[in-house]
Amino acid sequence: AQKVTQAQTEISVVEKEDVTLDCVYETRDTTYYLFWYKQPPSGELVFLIRRNSFDEQNEISGRYSWNFQKSTSSFNFTITASQVVDSAVYFCALRGFQKLVFGTGTRLLVSP
Amino acid sequence: GAGVSQSPRYKVAKRGQDVALRCDPISGHVSLFWYQQALGQGPEFLTYFQNEAQLDKSGLPSDRFFAERPEGSVSTLKIQRTQQEDSAVYLCASSLAIRGEANNEQFFGPGTRLTVL
Repeated sequence: AQKVTQAQTEISVVEKEDVTLDCVYETRDTTYYLFWYKQPPSGELVFLIRRNSFDEQNEISGRYSWNFQKSTSSFNFTITASQVVDSAVYFCALRGFQKLVFGTGTRLLVSP
Repeated sequence: GAGVSQSPRYKVAKRGQDVALRCDPISGHVSLFWYQQALGQGPEFLTYFQNEAQLDKSGLPSDRFFAERPEGSVSTLKIQRTQQEDSAVYLCASSLAIRGEANNEQFFGPGTRLTVL
């Protein structure tokens, strides 16, 4: 069975702080994909990144960076110099065949 | 349209009523998914279509839940005899590629928030 664990329920930071959101996954598939989605208060899920299981290169996109480590089954997400607009719920997800399996999400609150 | 659309955005039903939730996927997208998101939880898979074929309905919680996509585009999720535990946001997603292909991000609609009184 596939499972995604986001142990951090809620994180509060002050603007300009760096913050890391943790994600640990379980799967027996040898080929799989990992995702991060952002869910702002409006409710729509916004795609942030996809990584496949064969590519462990870390990725940076502006203030966002992702650290994928198969040895620890982790796919962590770091926001550098956080901004108020980053406030949202962030979901890590795992896809094997078709469906996405989501974690329970981490609520990030960035205060001015 | 530019994205996945869902209607209605909000639905209030009395316990025992039937409801129908609509999803318009991105034009040309082959795959369509329904997820249920309870308050404070992550979305959970309900069912999956490839064109008009329902290939996986393993996530449907009971036989009161029924989904269809008769012409391979618009999909409807129907819930019969609604119960309070059905209260949730129902999300629809579509993707361009068929199963197994790499570039198959799922694009989500805004969801329908169902409240059963």
